[in-house]
Amino acid sequence: GDSVTQMEGPVTLSEEAFLTINCTYTATGYPSLFWYVQYPGEGLQLLLKATKADDKGSNKGFEATYRKETTSFHLEKGSVQVSDSAVYFCALSDLTYGQNFVFGPGTRLSVLP
Amino acid sequence: GAGVSQSPSNKVTEKGKDVELRCDPISGHTALYWYRQSLGQGLEFLIYFQGNSAPDKSGLPSDRFSAERTGGSVSTLTIQRTQQEDSAVYLCASGGTGGYNEQFFGPGTRLTVL
Repeated sequence: GDSVTQMEGPVTLSEEAFLTINCTYTATGYPSLFWYVQYPGEGLQLLLKATKADDKGSNKGFEATYRKETTSFHLEKGSVQVSDSAVYFCALSDLTYGQNFVFGPGTRLSVLP
Repeated sequence: GAGVSQSPSNKVTEKGKDVELRCDPISGHTALYWYRQSLGQGLEFLIYFQGNSAPDKSGLPSDRFSAERTGGSVSTLTIQRTQQEDSAVYLCASGGTGGYNEQFFGPGTRLTVL
């Protein structure tokens, strides 16, 4: 079945550091890919998305590019802030067999001032 | 409101009691999902509804768990004879059938079984 693998962390960075959170996937069809973020004490919210190969999703300074050849969707940000401290979930939606939505285990990011 | 709502926000119950958790999806969304998130853990898929199709119940952990979706809108997740290991945050999400398929999450219900 479909699956999502991501670095589980925790990841601890200093403010203004460069962030990469790796995400790779396996899917039967041609999935859409997502990053969701969960800030402390809050629900999950969509951060960015990409629906086909080579698409780049971006939001709030975060970017991720849909790489079909490496089945990856790594999340990057050039300069993190303390307010970026949260748990980040990589996810896919594969319509091959209905709306199959699969989440990765989440990566906890802590940004220190 | 425009978002997904869940009630109650918190539920404390005694072991062996039944509980019902409610989800109101975004109006017009045909897809509805339930997940469970234990403390510090990822998302565990429970059940998925899509329109009038038979639900995908493959994630329900035991027959004590069941869910209904009435009229293609509101959904209720029922846990019978609760156990301490059922303590978690139960999340509901809804989505459309468009190409992006993104999910919109509710705030969750925190269930504590004593």
